[in-house]
Amino acid sequence: DIQMTQSPSALSASVGDRVTITCRASQSISRWLAWYQQKPGKAPKLLIYDASSLESGVPSRFSGSGSGTEFTLTISSLQPDDFATYYCQQYNSYGYTFGQGTKLEI
Amino acid sequence: EVQLLESGGGLVQPGGSLRLSCVVSGFTLSSYAVTWVRQAPGKGLDWVSVITGDGLTYYADSVKGRFAISRDNSKNTLFLQMNSLRAEDTAVYYCAKSASVGATHFDYWGQGTLVTVSS
Repeated sequence: DIQMTQSPSALSASVGDRVTITCRASQSISRWLAWYQQKPGKAPKLLIYDASSLESGVPSRFSGSGSGTEFTLTISSLQPDDFATYYCQQYNSYGYTFGQGTKLEI
Repeated sequence: EVQLLESGGGLVQPGGSLRLSCVVSGFTLSSYAVTWVRQAPGKGLDWVSVITGDGLTYYADSVKGRFAISRDNSKNTLFLQMNSLRAEDTAVYYCAKSASVGATHFDYWGQGTLVTVSS
């Protein structure tokens, strides 16, 4: 199975900050990577797919980049609504592995 | 509007069985892969099983041989039959729609149903 490793596990930031979360795959997954945002008690929400494509309706302050084994999610200017947990997910092969999550806190 | 609505969760004893349902609307089950993802209390997301639009099924090693995914296209319903349940199967179970017939990202999720395995 492909292992996905996110860093950091937790991140403290302030409104207006630029933050970057990294996801590394144990083998190449081309660009088959998605990012999700999850708030407590809620289902995950798709932000980015195919490494860098912004899901419809998601604010443009979210962006994704990378290919192969290393990927990043960047939030250009944090807003109060962005404090949540973020997960990467590979879909290069069935197994659909998720990263362990990054909790973004004030 | 695409919607997914899970049901069937509850408290079950170790070794017991439970069947989860996910009623979908706004899309055709046979045209998209649909997946079960679970989340243990306070933990991350854990992929469980998928049924592709073509009807192929895949399972995580942790549930292989114990869980079975299926669907009834006429009832727009996805199922997860869970047997030989263990304490570590305790989680919120989500169904999620893929953006295509095969392996890809999940563009819509249900609200989840809680399964608790405990004596």
